[in-house]
Amino acid sequence: GQNIDQPTEMTATEGAIVQINCTYQTSGFNGLFWYQQHAGEAPTFLSYNVLDGLEEKGRFSSFLSRSKGYSYLLLKELQMKDSASYLCAVVDSNYQLIWGAGTKLIIKP
Amino acid sequence: GAVVSQHPSRVICKSGTSVKIECRSLDFQATTMFWYRQFPKQSLMLMATSNEGSKATYEQGVEKDKFLINHASLTLSTLTVTSAHPEDSSFYICSARDQTERPEAFFGQGTRLTVV
Repeated sequence: GQNIDQPTEMTATEGAIVQINCTYQTSGFNGLFWYQQHAGEAPTFLSYNVLDGLEEKGRFSSFLSRSKGYSYLLLKELQMKDSASYLCAVVDSNYQLIWGAGTKLIIKP
Repeated sequence: GAVVSQHPSRVICKSGTSVKIECRSLDFQATTMFWYRQFPKQSLMLMATSNEGSKATYEQGVEKDKFLINHASLTLSTLTVTSAHPEDSSFYICSARDQTERPEAFFGQGTRLTVV
């Protein structure tokens, strides 16, 4: 079966750095997405990785290792507004999006 | 670019009635749109894939006669929840890809459906 694992909840301090991990086992791989979702709102796109390595975009970076079936989202200089759920999603061999359950990130002052 | 508009954002209806949710791609053509349902503290669950000009493809366990999907044009897909029951109360979200340019899916604002 297809499976995506990410921690259910994480807590971090304002101004700090946090890394949210995602491991996946899917039938094929055609890319991995990270989305941010605030409570009661639709997800918004953060990053897309299809090749191994680190993609940096401002305070957010995303890393992919296809051989390990592993990705992480790195958030720097955390702000209170970063409190949200972060969803990992993988595109499988049929170009279907397989979603993780999301990681709820709680930022404390 | 690549904006997806969904409405209504919130709707309350009585049991037994039907509710229609619209999803529009505003600045691109979407031959395929996706309909998701999300229960509190859970991830997105794909309900169906909507294809312009043809029948939708439903995921296992989703009743096609209850959740009617129409994709009449390249910019509009609708989801109608028929004979709604309280257990249909959920957050419904549509998404589409601008496949000519970008790989990511863009989401509508979502519709919070409450059936009383």
